[in-house]
Amino acid sequence: DAGVTQSPTHLIKTRGQQVTLRCSPKSGHDTVSWYQQALGQGPQFIFQYYEEEERQRGNFPDRFSGHQFPNYSSELNVNALLLGDSALYLCASSPPLGSPLHFGNGTRLTVT
Amino acid sequence: AQSVTQPDIHITVSEGASLELRCNYSYGATPYLFWYVQSPGQGLQLLLKYFSGDTLVQGIKGFEAEFKRSQSSFNLRKPSVHWSDAAEYFCAVGPTSGGSYIPTFGRGTSLIVHP
Repeated sequence: DAGVTQSPTHLIKTRGQQVTLRCSPKSGHDTVSWYQQALGQGPQFIFQYYEEEERQRGNFPDRFSGHQFPNYSSELNVNALLLGDSALYLCASSPPLGSPLHFGNGTRLTVT
Repeated sequence: AQSVTQPDIHITVSEGASLELRCNYSYGATPYLFWYVQSPGQGLQLLLKYFSGDTLVQGIKGFEAEFKRSQSSFNLRKPSVHWSDAAEYFCAVGPTSGGSYIPTFGRGTSLIVHP
């Protein structure tokens, strides 16, 4: 049973560019959350998707957007990249009726 | 708003010694509390969780944590540390939204294990 899978594992972008990160949830899970983890920090909540809708959002600018597909997979898009967007981006999924989050291994984004 | 404080950035212990990682939280209601572990280059793995009931919670890999409401704490303990326990440990407190948990994480404590 595959867990949460994220792609790509590493990514290097230039300031001002746009990036798309992808996540496939664990089998049986219908809710996907995205977190940003800067170096030496704990994960910060970006947003959560359920039934293809953004259910809740953290304190991140509109440059951060997402999408959830009918198969529950999800994308995180970041526009107009800044140096400060360099971080590990973690996707987490959870099943119906709630449960602790199951995390993927993350995508390491470097903005130069 | 909820918050989590992990006062120790780094903890160094010898292999076989006992371990306690501190976590204090701020939350307006009865909290849901979690401990996660992150090895280098990996995502977060759930060690244990507290939702209600017995305040001493057992987790995986021999870890346990005790919820103390009066101290707003949820400290993680292990009686004998193994070299493979070296990792980053995160405490989290979570509200729910429609039944799904959205935890707020502390900044983490890095555990270093000496042979």
